[in-house]
Amino acid sequence: DTEVTQTPKHLVMGMTNKKSLKCEQHMGHRAMYWYKQKAKKPPELMFVYSYEKLSINESVPSRFSPECPNSSLLNLHLHALQPEDSALYLCASSQDPGPYEQYFGPGTRLTVT
Amino acid sequence: GESVGLHLPTLSVQEGDNSIINCAYSNSASDYFIWYKQESGKGPQFIIDIRSNMDKRQGQRVTVLLNKTVKHLSLQIAATQPGDSAVYFCAENSNNFNKFYFGSGTKLNVKP
Repeated sequence: DTEVTQTPKHLVMGMTNKKSLKCEQHMGHRAMYWYKQKAKKPPELMFVYSYEKLSINESVPSRFSPECPNSSLLNLHLHALQPEDSALYLCASSQDPGPYEQYFGPGTRLTVT
Repeated sequence: GESVGLHLPTLSVQEGDNSIINCAYSNSASDYFIWYKQESGKGPQFIIDIRSNMDKRQGQRVTVLLNKTVKHLSLQIAATQPGDSAVYFCAENSNNFNKFYFGSGTKLNVKP
């Protein structure tokens, strides 16, 4: 199974809402990632988890809060977002925290109203 | 917000022709590179990778060439098919852990 799953597929939220994005992989990968992708732009790295610990935070605003409850799950908690945060949020995983192939999920299309 | 009028570079080819997609990378210390294909509404899909100790690697219908002297990467697709229509990104791995930076992308349009 080389699949990374993400839920929900689409999410519309107001600026005062709190919501969470979920990502799951069952490949035994030890590194997991969150990326943000705006239309017609490449993915931009947000966070890296290595062996369930946050190892990289690319200066992401605190209204985005990642969590790694176990080696298979990655969450992204959202609070007080802005309309400019509307984007496709992609989760990825790789076998180890090194230069290895990253497997991407299908993404969550987020719209902030 | 988004830039009005921003367009991805587009490569249009006829079905059956070969396609060459180019990428200039920025960090001379990068030592691992990946080409991804992203179809509309989907996440990026791994196509092929190459490490800096190689200058060419072949897969099924795809070849990646690496020129470290000029920091240039290319993806060649043989006998391009309509299913190859997508946006293609190169990604370079910096010397810092597992941090990939993506190129700006090229849209491949295959005409039947």
